[in-house]
Amino acid sequence: GENVEQHPSTLSVQEGDSAVIKCTYSDSASNYFPWYKQELGKRPQLIIDIRSNVGEKKDQRIAVTLNKTAKHFSLHITETQPEDSAVYFCAASYRGSTLGRLYFGRGTQLTVWP
Amino acid sequence: KAGVTQTPRYLIKTRGQQVTLSCSPISGHRSVSWYQQTPGQGLQFLFEYFSETQRNKGNFPGRFSGRQFSNSRSEMNVSTLELGDSALYLCASSWRGEYTGELFFGEGSRLTVL
Repeated sequence: GENVEQHPSTLSVQEGDSAVIKCTYSDSASNYFPWYKQELGKRPQLIIDIRSNVGEKKDQRIAVTLNKTAKHFSLHITETQPEDSAVYFCAASYRGSTLGRLYFGRGTQLTVWP
Repeated sequence: KAGVTQTPRYLIKTRGQQVTLSCSPISGHRSVSWYQQTPGQGLQFLFEYFSETQRNKGNFPGRFSGRQFSNSRSEMNVSTLELGDSALYLCASSWRGEYTGELFFGEGSRLTVL
């Protein structure tokens, strides 16, 4: 099955700096790559996703890039703010799989210091 | 609209007991999947149900089981509890006629096994 590796496990940045989280996947059939944010004590929520026919996608201060050849994708957060502090999970799946099965990375604890 | 509802939110059991967790998906969603979240392990897929049928199962022992009812509500059961079963169990729903990929998570049921 698919294996998703996520790095780093913890990341501390100063407010206003950029943060980058990287993930690799093993199954070349994977074609959907979402990112979920989980604030302390809260449920994971989708913040951005990308499909394999696109190389980059942006939504205000967050962006995701995908390199299918190298099988890796990254989350970029610019102008970080304290409310960006949370655990971020990358995931992968392929459309042929069942709807609810995502293969998650182990998460990155992002701390933004004011 | 109402989100995904999980009950109970917290529970404490002892080794050898069994537990049943409940999940009510977003109205109209037909897919319900379950994940186990433990520190440092990310979210691990347990199983997924769609239209009362189990569509996929993760690598968990047979002590973990589930079912889905005709109204899409789902339950998962863990029998003969072990200390290692202590975790946050997340339910997620999706699918209202088209595949978007997004999972909508509940806030989870936190199980502690003593």
